[in-house]
Amino acid sequence: SQKIEQNSEALNIQEGKTATLTCNYTNYSPAYLQWYRQDPGRGPVFLLLIRENEKEKRKERLKVTFDTTLKQSLFHITASQPADSATYLCALGDNYGQNFVFGPGTRLSVLP
Amino acid sequence: DTAVSQTPKYLVTQMGNDKSIKCEQNLGHDTMYWYKQDSKKFLKIMFSYNNKELIINETVPNRFSPKSPDKAHLNLHINSLELGDSAVYFCASSYRQGAETQYFGPGTRLLVL
Repeated sequence: SQKIEQNSEALNIQEGKTATLTCNYTNYSPAYLQWYRQDPGRGPVFLLLIRENEKEKRKERLKVTFDTTLKQSLFHITASQPADSATYLCALGDNYGQNFVFGPGTRLSVLP
Repeated sequence: DTAVSQTPKYLVTQMGNDKSIKCEQNLGHDTMYWYKQDSKKFLKIMFSYNNKELIINETVPNRFSPKSPDKAHLNLHINSLELGDSAVYFCASSYRQGAETQYFGPGTRLLVL
């Protein structure tokens, strides 16, 4: 069965450093991968989408890589700030919208 | 100007009751979803509707019945509530199926006593 893992349940990092979150999957060949941010008591908010034929995507301080051979995506936040503290979820999907699955999330805390 | 709205925000009820959660999106999207997020924060898709037609129906008890009166609404009715139904339920929408951004509502926190 499909399985998605995110490197750790929680990650603490010092302000100004680069946070790197990992999403690994098995038994799946996704057409795309998305990253969402979820704050306590709120719904997830979309951040970035990367397709299977793309290696890297950037948006401001965010960078996502996608390695379909390793079955892994890395999510980087550079120059991290306390306001970046949240839970980050990866999600995989196919082009038919039939197999959309979220990972368990990583709770990031950026310490001042 | 809320894009995806849900009511109620909180719902506390007794076991065995029937309850409904309403969802509306004003984004003009074709596809709407219901998700359940349990106490371990795992977000799992329950249903997906595209233009009022059921597309995905994951393994959920048939006590859960989604209803889509029109493209902008997807309501969730739950019969005979059980303790294990306690969770946060999120509604979401996307422009269409497939590789699209999903926009989530604020969630409905259901507590079954």
